[in-house]
Amino acid sequence: NAGVTQTPKFQVLKTGQSMTLQCAQDMNHNSMYWYRQDPGMGLRLIYYSASEGTTDKGEVPNGYNVSRLNKREFSLRLESAAPSQTSVYFCASSDTLDQGGGQYFGPGTRLTVL
Amino acid sequence: GEDVEQSLFLSVREGDSSVINCTYTDSSSTYLYWYKQEPGAGLQLLTYIFSNMDMKQDQRLTVLLNKKDKHLSLRIADTQTGDSAIYFCAERDGTSYDKVIFGPGTSLSVIP
Repeated sequence: NAGVTQTPKFQVLKTGQSMTLQCAQDMNHNSMYWYRQDPGMGLRLIYYSASEGTTDKGEVPNGYNVSRLNKREFSLRLESAAPSQTSVYFCASSDTLDQGGGQYFGPGTRLTVL
Repeated sequence: GEDVEQSLFLSVREGDSSVINCTYTDSSSTYLYWYKQEPGAGLQLLTYIFSNMDMKQDQRLTVLLNKKDKHLSLRIADTQTGDSAIYFCAERDGTSYDKVIFGPGTSLSVIP
């Protein structure tokens, strides 16, 4: 059981470049989430997916897109990266029948945009 | 809107008990959670409590919930240096199930 996996672990982009952050979970969870964590700002929700085929905006969706490819995978795309998107990105999954719906987090992707 | 607050820092001596406090504003919360984040890692779910419970114990961890005062605490007995980390309180919104509000995190330092 790998839990939640994320790739890549580290990434450096130039302003205007695009990239996709990958996330997969093997716990058969229905819900998946993308967060960003910044010093002094805490954890902020970018997008979430309550089930396969659905996605919804969170607190800070601007500049991002997501795809729930199947039940296991939830990707986050930056179409035109900006320095303000320098952050640590976490993917998480949860299910109402597992630990009260508590979220399981991946190890994070550390993104720097120059 | 909903808010979750925590003190930012706590320092304790090894072997003592640590108590990390959290307050929240959403009276319709269903579940409340405690997470631990070690440096360079993701958040790890430590424990959770359903909103109709007052207390939950899990080995060295004790969670107390005062729903009237909207106050949640995490007590770590016999604190060890490996407990040094950031601890996040979070609550699941009762009206929008997929909405989880996180506190800013409490950085726990354990002094040997």
